[in-house]
Amino acid sequence: SQQGEEDPQALSIQEGENATMNCSYKTSINNLQWYRQNSGRGLVHLILIRSNEREKHSGRLRVTLDTSKKSSSLLITASRAADTASYFCATAMIGSYQAGTALIFGKGTTLSVSS
Amino acid sequence: EAGVVQSPRYKIIEKKQPVAFWCNPISGHNTLYWYRQNLGQGPELLIRYENEEAVDDSQLPKDRFSAERLKGVDSTLKIQPAELGDSAVYLCASSLDSRRSYEQYFGPGTRLTVT
Repeated sequence: SQQGEEDPQALSIQEGENATMNCSYKTSINNLQWYRQNSGRGLVHLILIRSNEREKHSGRLRVTLDTSKKSSSLLITASRAADTASYFCATAMIGSYQAGTALIFGKGTTLSVSS
Repeated sequence: EAGVVQSPRYKIIEKKQPVAFWCNPISGHNTLYWYRQNLGQGPELLIRYENEEAVDDSQLPKDRFSAERLKGVDSTLKIQPAELGDSAVYLCASSLDSRRSYEQYFGPGTRLTVT
């Protein structure tokens, strides 16, 4: 079963614009992670935010987490054609034993950045 | 540093045939995961190993799927016999220590087509 649900399912923007994608989940979590998957390739870890954090930055990425609403957002600023990919949020269940294990992925947001 | 290695990259078989996938995780990573990703979906965990012990195989269809990680390093996932519904991408991932390092590193996957 999948816990995370990304929104929108697909997003098309121009180079230089910002891209925002959202993730909602159902149960309490230890951490939430975002991954990127280019066409036909494996997933690449982008950023991890813990349940006691509200915002985190990494380069052009900004992630927010609202545990009261059980939601997260990923913002990519000044997008480039190379950002074209599918983006997945993945939640890790609460509890130290499960925290690094039971990653549950959403269905993903497909981002297309045109030049 | 070499990433997670998987082989083969592609496999086409007829239903009822057996198939095996191989994974070599990043050196030093104790935790190994097998995921299945259906088209348009996020990955779903099949089995997780801590060293050579399978500690979470609740999602593995045990009637036809089997896995092993004999020396706590590389791993093999087998399907016998394959069914049409097994067509998917099979992803292997590893992490340093699932209890402290939550980031997972994914291989490129094996795309299985069952005809």
